Amino acid sequence: ELKVEQNPLFLSMQEGKNYTIYCNYSTTSDRLYWYRQDPGKSLESLFVLLSNGAVKQEGRLMASLDTKARLSTLHITAAVHDLSATYFCAVSFGNEKLTFGTGTRLTIIP
Amino acid sequence: KAGVTQTPRYLIKTRGQQVTLSCSPISGHRSVSWYQQTPGQGLQFLFEYFSETQRNKGNFPGRFSGRQFSNSRSEMNVSTLELGDSALYLCASRGGNYKDTQYFGPGTRLTVL
Repeated sequence: ELKVEQNPLFLSMQEGKNYTIYCNYSTTSDRLYWYRQDPGKSLESLFVLLSNGAVKQEGRLMASLDTKARLSTLHITAAVHDLSATYFCAVSFGNEKLTFGTGTRLTIIP
Repeated sequence: KAGVTQTPRYLIKTRGQQVTLSCSPISGHRSVSWYQQTPGQGLQFLFEYFSETQRNKGNFPGRFSGRQFSNSRSEMNVSTLELGDSALYLCASRGGNYKDTQYFGPGTRLTVL
């Protein structure tokens, strides 16, 4: 069974700093997604990564995928308060269900 | 393009009752998936429907069921509600290719008293 682990679970960081969230998964996957969730809200799609070495960037967020290591990272550059949210990675293979990680609750401190 | 819509947004029920939640996918999307989100268990997959057929099913008891109509709208039903069914129920839709991104609706917050 596919398992997805994220770390850290909680992250408190100062504005202007850089940090990385890690997502490890246990078996073969052909796609990985990153989602953002604000408190009490639904999930917003950030990135989809489909191949080894894929890198995508949007504003201060950059996601990458290493399928050999079964690892994806979400890098935050020069954090701002608006990035405070919970971030989820999710993995799947073929027509199998999407399996979510535990989520990383990110708090940006002014 | 309108997003995924879910109704109702909030629901309060008592133990033993049943509930039906509705989801309208993005126009043109044929796949609808349902997830349960709780603080303790996180996001758990319930089931996926594609062209009116259940394609995948998660590890939930038979009290949880769903269906999809010919217009791709989907409903999920929970019978004999338990306190532990209190959760945010999220519906997601995507196009016909399994690599397409899933887009999530706003969710239905179910509280069981």
